[in-house]
Amino acid sequence: DAGVTQSPTHLIKTRGQQVTLRCSPKSGHDTVSWYQQALGQGPQFIFQYYEEEERQRGNFPDRFSGHQFPNYSSELNVNALLLGDSALYLCASSLFGGQIYNSPLHFGNGTRLTVT
Amino acid sequence: ELKVEQNPLFLSMQEGKNYTIYCNYSTTSDRLYWYRQDPGKSLESLFVLLSNGAVKQEGRLMASLDTKARLSTLHITAAVHDLSATYFCAVDMAGNTGKLIFGQGTTLQVKP
Repeated sequence: DAGVTQSPTHLIKTRGQQVTLRCSPKSGHDTVSWYQQALGQGPQFIFQYYEEEERQRGNFPDRFSGHQFPNYSSELNVNALLLGDSALYLCASSLFGGQIYNSPLHFGNGTRLTVT
Repeated sequence: ELKVEQNPLFLSMQEGKNYTIYCNYSTTSDRLYWYRQDPGKSLESLFVLLSNGAVKQEGRLMASLDTKARLSTLHITAAVHDLSATYFCAVDMAGNTGKLIFGQGTTLQVKP
């Protein structure tokens, strides 16, 4: 049973460029959340997707956008990259389905983004 | 705005000793999580605490939740080197949404 998979594992971009990160949720999960973890900090919630729609959003600018596909996989897009966007981007999946949510999020191994 | 604060942020301890990590949060929530993160790795779920007075134990780690005090503790018993990692507590923003607010993390270093 595959867990949460993310690609790529590492990425180096230049300021002003755009980047797309990808995530496949754990089998049986229907909800994907994205988190940004700066070095030495706790993860910060970016947004959550369920039924191909953004359901919740954290305090991140519109440069951060996402998408969820019918197979529940998801993409995170960041435009006009800034040096401060350098971080580990974590994808987490869960089973929501509109019902009681008691299980912890399952996190992928993350994508390490470096902006130079 | 919900805030989650952990202390200490760094803990160096000898093998065999006991210690407690504290997690305070600022608004009502009855859903708290503890995660472990090894350097360069992702987050591993340790405990899910769902109600006031909940206590869970796994090996040398025991977590508890006091929703009235808005406090969770992670107690380490007879620490071993393998427990060296960063530990995060996280609170669900609105009780049951999957939107977690994390603490800053506590880096535990267990020395032989």
